[in-house]
Amino acid sequence: AQSVTQLDSQVPVFEEAPVELRCNYSSSVSVYLFWYVQYPNQGLQLLLKYLSGSTLVKGINGFEAEFNKSQTSFHLRKPSVHISDTAEYFCAVSGGGGSNYKLTFGKGTLLTVNP
Amino acid sequence: DAGITQSPRYKITETGRQVTLMCHQTWSHSYMFWYRQDLGHGLRLIYYSAAADITDKGEVPDGYVVSRSKTENFPLTLESATRSQTSVYFCASSDPFWGTTEAFFGQGTRLTVV
Repeated sequence: AQSVTQLDSQVPVFEEAPVELRCNYSSSVSVYLFWYVQYPNQGLQLLLKYLSGSTLVKGINGFEAEFNKSQTSFHLRKPSVHISDTAEYFCAVSGGGGSNYKLTFGKGTLLTVNP
Repeated sequence: DAGITQSPRYKITETGRQVTLMCHQTWSHSYMFWYRQDLGHGLRLIYYSAAADITDKGEVPDGYVVSRSKTENFPLTLESATRSQTSVYFCASSDPFWGTTEAFFGQGTRLTVV
């Protein structure tokens, strides 16, 4: 079984500050990792994904994440946030290379960017 | 319209009634999923389908029924709605065998059971 832990339920930051949203996963097999963003009253949009290869993954809107296999982490970072980044962010994992393509989500981190 | 669409967007129903949430995708993705989103729980998988006529339970399947007679449609039925099923429901699709490893989500259906 696989699981995802998002260590912070809420992260308040000031505009133009850096931010890191933390995600740890557990799985007995190789995995695919994802970060999604959800704006109010909308569905989820993919920010970035890790399938294999380089452990530093760049996504949309200036976000990036680093896959760390030894620490089973996939933290999301942005060097300078904007008001428009206020949203809920979800980390997710699915089984890689096998038949298990179900996405398991963390409980989400609400990022609030203040002026 | 291309993409994944859910209907209705909003639904209020009474306890004990049967209600069906619709999901339609235009990409011919093999995998489709139903999730519910509740405060403090994130998204939890209800049911998923790997292909037409192949469905399997997720984390919270009790009280729900799904079918998939056509690749593009994946309706979710609440057989006898309960207040605990008040939630936002998301449908998603993916096709990992053709390189679409990520799931694409619909806009959601907000269901209130009174």
